[in-house]
Amino acid sequence: EPEVTQTPSHQVTQMGQEVILRCVPISNHLYFYWYRQILGQKVEFLVSFYNNEISEKSEIFDDQFSVERPDGSNFTLKIRSTKLEDSAMYFCASSDKAKNIQYFGAGTRLSVL
Amino acid sequence: QKEVEQNSGPLSVPEGAIASLNCTYSDRGSQSFFWYRQYSGKSPELIMFIYSNGDKEDGRFTAQLNKASQYVSLLIRDSQPSDSATYLCAVNTGSGGYNKLIFGAGTRLAVHP
Repeated sequence: EPEVTQTPSHQVTQMGQEVILRCVPISNHLYFYWYRQILGQKVEFLVSFYNNEISEKSEIFDDQFSVERPDGSNFTLKIRSTKLEDSAMYFCASSDKAKNIQYFGAGTRLSVL
Repeated sequence: QKEVEQNSGPLSVPEGAIASLNCTYSDRGSQSFFWYRQYSGKSPELIMFIYSNGDKEDGRFTAQLNKASQYVSLLIRDSQPSDSATYLCAVNTGSGGYNKLIFGAGTRLAVHP
C-alpha cells in the first residue's frame, strides 16, 4: 500500500541551527501538507502546497519556515533558525484531488536543545 | 476562528462494548469529516471519512454526520483492547483539494479486558 515517507524519524538540533525535514508523498498525489503536534497538544496545520507553490499557510508558518519540492518526489520543510518552541512532531501529509483524503507520514520528532 | 471540539476523555469501555466518540465543529461551511486514530507517539491513521448527512459503516466502525447540528460521531462496535488510542476528529472546511484539516484535541479511548 502506498505511504508517505518521512526522514529522519528523530532530529536533534541546537537552538539557532537550520533543519530540513524531508518527505516523500504518495506518488500520484498532487497536494502536500505539513502539520505539527507539540507534545500533548492538537495537530496543527502549518502549510499546504500545490502546483509548486504555497496554497495556504498558518500563523505559525512565519519567515523562519519554508517549503520546497526540489524534485519530482521530495517535499521538504526548512526551519532556518530553530527555537526551543519548535520542538514537536512534524507530520507530512498528501492527498489526491478527487477525495482530499489526507494520508500522514510517520512523522519527524524534532528536539531543539 | 474555526474550532473542532472533542471530549478529551478518557472514555473507558469494556471489551466487546460499543464505544461512542463525539465531535462538534463551528464552521457551517465544512465539507468533509474525518476520524483518525493516533497511538501514543505515532502519526494519525485514517479510520473513516464522511461527506454526507447520515451514517457510513465500515466493518466495526460507523461514522455519523449531522450537518444541521454540526455534529459528527464515531461508533466502534465490539471494542478491542487494540482499539485503545486517541481518536482525532478532523474537519475540512473547503471544497478545494488543498484545504487544510482542522483537528480536535482528541478523545482518549481505553478498552479494558
